[in-house]
Amino acid sequence: DGGITQSPKYLFRKEGQNVTLSCEQNLNHDAMYWYRQDPGQGLRLIYYSQIVNDFQKGDIAEGYSVSREKKESFPLTVTSAQKNPTAFYLCASTKAGQNQPQHFGDGTRLSIL
Amino acid sequence: EDQVTQSPEALRLQEGESSSLNCSYTVSGLRGLFWYRQDPGKGPEFLFTLYSAGEEKEKERLKATLTKKESFLHITAPKPEDSATYLCAVGISGGYNKLIFGAGTRLAVHP
Repeated sequence: DGGITQSPKYLFRKEGQNVTLSCEQNLNHDAMYWYRQDPGQGLRLIYYSQIVNDFQKGDIAEGYSVSREKKESFPLTVTSAQKNPTAFYLCASTKAGQNQPQHFGDGTRLSIL
Repeated sequence: EDQVTQSPEALRLQEGESSSLNCSYTVSGLRGLFWYRQDPGKGPEFLFTLYSAGEEKEKERLKATLTKKESFLHITAPKPEDSATYLCAVGISGGYNKLIFGAGTRLAVHP
């Protein structure tokens, strides 16, 4: 079955450490997205990529970095510059074209040690 | 400023007690309104897309409607398995499939 796989499900970060969250999709979707979800708030966009080797900052990109070397993969690195990284991180993808629904993975919960 | 507001924040229903969730929006250039269901510890699951005022979509006990300023998710005779957080998102113009999300409505259906 096609879908979006995020790993790990839980991740702990130490002070000053960078951590990388994995997102893989086998839906043959062109565009991929990273969101952050905090309690009581709507999902906020961190980065998005419409094609391989190209990505754009979303609304809250500071302290995060991404790469898009393959169509199927869009890893997110939470750097030590992100001072409040504790959150639920969601990866999504869409087909090419306007007004397409985004389909989500099951998320990674990141906590501080 | 583009904004999406969902109400109520939380709703408790008895099994079989029908109700509606509201999603109001102020955006420039609506490009679709999307409803999602999210279970605890999981990612949002896509339910419906509505594109124009007057449009309606149905799936089992759920029915979504759209006006020029808001959308409703009607839940008819809910069951405990309908308990979840329901998210509303509005698509806006911006060169890609940009979505603005509401904070969600937490629905609990008790037997």
